[in-house]
Amino acid sequence: SQQGEEDPQALSIQEGENATMNCSYKTSINNLQWYRQNSGRGLVHLILIRSNEREKHSGRLRVTLDTSKKSSSLLITASRAADTASYFCATPDGANSKLTFGKGITLSVRP
Amino acid sequence: DADVTQTPRNRITKTGKRIMLECSQTKGHDRMYWYRQDPGLGLQLIYYSFDVKDINKGEISDGYSVSRQAQAKFSLSLESAIPNQTALYFCATSDSQRVSYNEQFFGPGTRLTVL
Repeated sequence: SQQGEEDPQALSIQEGENATMNCSYKTSINNLQWYRQNSGRGLVHLILIRSNEREKHSGRLRVTLDTSKKSSSLLITASRAADTASYFCATPDGANSKLTFGKGITLSVRP
Repeated sequence: DADVTQTPRNRITKTGKRIMLECSQTKGHDRMYWYRQDPGLGLQLIYYSFDVKDINKGEISDGYSVSRQAQAKFSLSLESAIPNQTALYFCATSDSQRVSYNEQFFGPGTRLTVL
């Protein structure tokens, strides 16, 4: 079963707007990661947030983690057409810490 | 640049054929993974290897086998390809010595079509 589930499944915004994507997970984790995938290409790691962190920033990205609600959000500020991609959250799965990925969110940024 | 490479990048084959997808990495990472991606289903883990002598099945290993020939090489085989194995296949690596040791680095993918 999926550990991380993203919401919404698809998001379409205008360039310059902010994009907010959410991820919920089921079991306790020690970190949560967000990845990006441009169409048909490999995933690229964006940011990792540890379970003892509530918020983390990287450039135009802001990630929050609420362990009590088992949820995370990824905010992309001042979006650009080049941000058009699929975004995945991923969580370690059990003691072996292999990752389980959600189904992804398709973000379209209109110029 | 240290990298993860996959060959071939595209492959069309027929039902019943044996296919091998290869993955090589120059990152010096000890852990390697094979995933398949189908539209709308996200990534599903096929096999993973935490070192040369450690091979583990993932969620969907039936119909697949792997070989970890060296720390830098991890191959995925489809013994007898079937059409529902048509998908995008990704190799990934991670480094157990990093603080964020389960951050994964992906190859560019292999698009496999089974007719």
